[in-house]
Amino acid sequence: KAGVTQTPRYLIKTRGQQVTLSCSPISGHRSVSWYQQTPGQGLQFLFEYFSETQRNKGNFPGRFSGRQFSNSRSEMNVSTLELGDSALYLCASSYRSGRTDTQYFGPGTRLTVL
Amino acid sequence: ELKVEQNPLFLSMQEGKNYTIYCNYSTTSDRLYWYRQDPGKSLESLFVLLSNGAVKQEGRLMASLDTKARLSTLHITAAVHDLSATYFCAVGILDSNYQLIWGAGTKLIIKP
Repeated sequence: KAGVTQTPRYLIKTRGQQVTLSCSPISGHRSVSWYQQTPGQGLQFLFEYFSETQRNKGNFPGRFSGRQFSNSRSEMNVSTLELGDSALYLCASSYRSGRTDTQYFGPGTRLTVL
Repeated sequence: ELKVEQNPLFLSMQEGKNYTIYCNYSTTSDRLYWYRQDPGKSLESLFVLLSNGAVKQEGRLMASLDTKARLSTLHITAAVHDLSATYFCAVGILDSNYQLIWGAGTKLIIKP
């Protein structure tokens, strides 16, 4: 079974720009969660989508948004990029939403904001 | 405040030695996960612990959970170089919605 895939793997943007990251979950998985990982803050939860609906949201500003499509693929958008948005963005998929299932992580997208 | 604290945050050890990583959490939880992350790579699920007294083992790694003490341990037996990685614990919390709260990670370096 193919794992979670994320595109692009690396991205360089400048302040003020916007960016869209993509995540394809494991086949059959309907839940996709997004995380931001930085050396200073560690792993922080952004949001979770299940069956095209946002089920849960972390404590991030509205510049961070996401969506999920009917095939469970998910995109994350960051508008008006700031230097502090430089991070590894990880998505994780699981079969069901919430507490039951282990999450399987993709390789991440490394975003650098200049 | 919800907190998950791991210690140590950094550990350098020799092959063949035993050591334990600790994960303390501040609120009631129904499950605890351990993940491994290799440099520049993604996170790999190691264990999920669901109940008080749960113990799981895979090779040289053994994880346990004490829900009363709000403590999980990841024990490494006779460490080998291939176990060098950063290890994270994550605690499942039911707040307004279910979410995982992550520890800061323990960077483990095992010297040959």
